[in-house]
Amino acid sequence: GIQVEQSPPDLILQEGANSTLRCNFSDSVNNLQWFHQNPWGQLINLFYIPSGTKQNGRLSATTVATERYSLLYISSSQTTDSGVYFCAVLISSGSARQLTFGSGTQLTVLP
Amino acid sequence: EAGVAQSPRYKIIEKRQSVAFWCNPISGHATLYWYQQILGQGPKLLIQFQNNGVVDDSQLPKDRFSAERLKGVDSTLKIQPAKLEDSAVYLCASSTRLAVYNEQFFGPGTRLTVL
Repeated sequence: GIQVEQSPPDLILQEGANSTLRCNFSDSVNNLQWFHQNPWGQLINLFYIPSGTKQNGRLSATTVATERYSLLYISSSQTTDSGVYFCAVLISSGSARQLTFGSGTQLTVLP
Repeated sequence: EAGVAQSPRYKIIEKRQSVAFWCNPISGHATLYWYQQILGQGPKLLIQFQNNGVVDDSQLPKDRFSAERLKGVDSTLKIQPAKLEDSAVYLCASSTRLAVYNEQFFGPGTRLTVL
């Protein structure tokens, strides 16, 4: 099956710093989503981005589908950005629509 | 717009007991998913419904897990009997349609501990 690899696995930042999280995937995908899982376990949708670039406030994401990777940029990080960031890719097989998740990047933002 | 609702939020049971989780998707979302997330890992799909029909249950351990979505709205996931390795967070998600470009939205999850 498809492999989704995220890097780095852990990241510690000082508040105000910028960071880039990477997601590599091993095959063509139909779509890609970035999520933030907060300390209470809730998965929050950040971006639906099968290709191109999107921005939402301090966050932006770029997916280069032809080269099979996506990047999530966090600027001016805040302590509330702490948590696990997942990318997930969707592959379709017949009617099945399975999101395959990477193992996540654990981000800690220190005050 | 209300999000995906799940209950209970936490459940502690002993091995070999039974447990059931409930999910109510976002209004109007025809597609519903159940995922299992083991500590330290990303979520893994267990089963997918389109309205009240099962689309994909290839990763559901059918000897002990079952799920239904009888009226095409809310859904129940059951484990009977539970094993220690079933300790995980069970996440429900929904999307508007089966099309590949639809985002999936997740509920808060049910954290299951099996002792």
